[in-house]
Amino acid sequence: ETTVTQSPASLSMAVGEKVSISCKTSTDIDDDMNWYQQKSGEAPKLLISEGNTLRPGVPSRFSSSGYGTDFVFTINNVVLGDEGIYYCQQSENVPLTFGSGTKLEIK
Amino acid sequence: EVQLVESGGGLVQPGASLKLSCVASGFTFSDYWMSWVRQTPGKTMEWIGDIKYDGSYTNYAPSLTNRFTISRDNAKSTLYLQMSNVRSEDTATYYCGRYYGYNYWYFDFWGPGTMVTVSS
Repeated sequence: ETTVTQSPASLSMAVGEKVSISCKTSTDIDDDMNWYQQKSGEAPKLLISEGNTLRPGVPSRFSSSGYGTDFVFTINNVVLGDEGIYYCQQSENVPLTFGSGTKLEIK
Repeated sequence: EVQLVESGGGLVQPGASLKLSCVASGFTFSDYWMSWVRQTPGKTMEWIGDIKYDGSYTNYAPSLTNRFTISRDNAKSTLYLQMSNVRSEDTATYYCGRYYGYNYWYFDFWGPGTMVTVSS
């Protein structure tokens, strides 16, 4: 099983700041990493899919990078509406596995 | 518009069985592999398993293989999760998810979830 280690567990940022979230995998997954946003009381929403591909309709403030075992998710110029929990998910190996989540608070 | 709507959750006693449903609309259900994912009260996300578009093949998380069964009825555009011998650690919100496509094992659509609480 591919373990996904996500950090940090929580962040408190001011509007306009830059957010960086890390996910490290226990096996090489090429670029098969995906990123989701979950707002309070809602289902997760896919933001970025394999190959660091921004999904249609997702603002370009969101981006990701990485290959192999180290991945980074970035939000530039964070806004109030970005509050929520962010998850990474590897799609290279079964069972599919998720990171533990990063709770983002906007001050 | 793609929609997935889960139902069947609730309060259930340890050792009991429960069947969850997920009704799909807005796309050709029989063209897609589908999956169940759960989220614990502590917000941990766990993949439960998935099923091929025609129902002929299933995958499960190793820890759940013996107690959970995924099935589907394409005529009703409905996905099912049969849970047996439930335990307190099965308490979670259960989501059905649609894979983007074959060999693209990420979720482009999710339902709003149904909550299952296992308690005596």
